[in-house]
Amino acid sequence: SQTIHQWPATLVQPVGSPLSLECTVEGTSNPNLYWYRQAAGRGLQLLFYSVGIGQISSEVPQNLSASRPQDRQFILSSKKLLLSDSGFYLCAWSRGAVDEKLFFGSGTQLSVL
Amino acid sequence: EDQVTQSPEALRLQEGESSSLNCSYTVSGLRGLFWYRQDPGKGPEFLFTLYSAGEEKEKERLKATLTKKESFLHITAPKPEDSATYLCAVPLGASGGSYIPTFGRGTSLIVHP
Repeated sequence: SQTIHQWPATLVQPVGSPLSLECTVEGTSNPNLYWYRQAAGRGLQLLFYSVGIGQISSEVPQNLSASRPQDRQFILSSKKLLLSDSGFYLCAWSRGAVDEKLFFGSGTQLSVL
Repeated sequence: EDQVTQSPEALRLQEGESSSLNCSYTVSGLRGLFWYRQDPGKGPEFLFTLYSAGEEKEKERLKATLTKKESFLHITAPKPEDSATYLCAVPLGASGGSYIPTFGRGTSLIVHP
């Protein structure tokens, strides 16, 4: 069966510090991978998605970046965090077809102080 | 412009009091409408996918229906354990010809015993 791992679960970082969130998927190959952010009381905002190794698409301009160094590994990074980067970050995967459901990780609650 | 809108934002019910949540969408060529359930501090979990107007799917006390412009999530005789945020999502066209799962803001449901 397929599983998705996302860590850490909680993170408190000062403004201006770097960020690295990691997500790995097991039990499938060549998944589509996604990073979403959920602000308090709001819906899920897509940040990045990837359909293959090294292929990253960004939906929202910001100071975040994403990388996919391996088929089932997706990393969200920032060189310098802003207060506005606080939120609940979710990694997700789906099979290749457009009409496939998403499987989400457990999320990372990021607080930038 | 393609978009996904959910209503109401919040809903409080007494145990056993049936109601419906709404998800309206404007998109040309629907490629599926997805319902998810999200518990506090966790990632969303898939509930249903609907593809064509008139389609219905059921799971325990939940039934999802679809028309050409909206979907309803009917909750029959809800229990406190049904309390959660319910999200709907539709694949919308993005740059490069991809389709991205795009979420509404969700409906926060609280069922009181």
